Amino acid sequence: QVQLQESGPGLVKPSETLSLTCSVSGGSINSFYWTWIRQAPGKGLQWIGYISYTGSTSYNPSLKSRVTISVDTSKNQFSLKLSSVTAADTAVYYCAREGPTVGNAYDFWGQGTMVTVSS
Amino acid sequence: DIQMTQSPSSVSASIGDRVTITCRASQGVGTWLTWYQQKSGKAPKLLIYAVSSLQSGVPSRFSGSGSGTDFTLTISNLQPEDFATYYCQQANSFPLTFGGGTKVEIK
Repeated sequence: QVQLQESGPGLVKPSETLSLTCSVSGGSINSFYWTWIRQAPGKGLQWIGYISYTGSTSYNPSLKSRVTISVDTSKNQFSLKLSSVTAADTAVYYCAREGPTVGNAYDFWGQGTMVTVSS
Repeated sequence: DIQMTQSPSSVSASIGDRVTITCRASQGVGTWLTWYQQKSGKAPKLLIYAVSSLQSGVPSRFSGSGSGTDFTLTISNLQPEDFATYYCQQANSFPLTFGGGTKVEIK
């Protein structure tokens, strides 16, 4: 069973860079597409972007200038960096896998990690 | 961006009821339409992909239908564990977008 686990600071200061890592276990990261999605408190879901195991990426244009997603296949991890954060970036951040047989849907998710942007 | 509009935003229903949730896309999304269930404090769970394909392990009381821009999630014989928020998502074009959610509450 594939498992994903987000890790990183729960508090980030405004204007600084949010950095999160998603560790994948129970399967190799050397396939599929790996995604970051966030959810502001009491709000809906926002797709941030994805990375493939080959390193190709796609980002949400609304965040593109501030987002970097990278993959470390040796550690079976992928990461998110979001620069110049503001209070609007306060959210639960989820990592997820785009499943191979589920039509571009996300079949495995991390539990989510809450990140608060505050001084 | 493709806008996904769900209705209703919330619905009150009783155990055993049939519940229908609608998702409308601002432009056609082909068959790239997915439904998720999210319970409070938990990650979303994949229910239905490619409009109508049931994810493994999901009860058959969940079903999806639709085409083009209009899609429906139906829950037949609502069970206590079905009270949650449901989201549709399109994967036809970037950026991938989600509907605003429909909260299914106990009447």
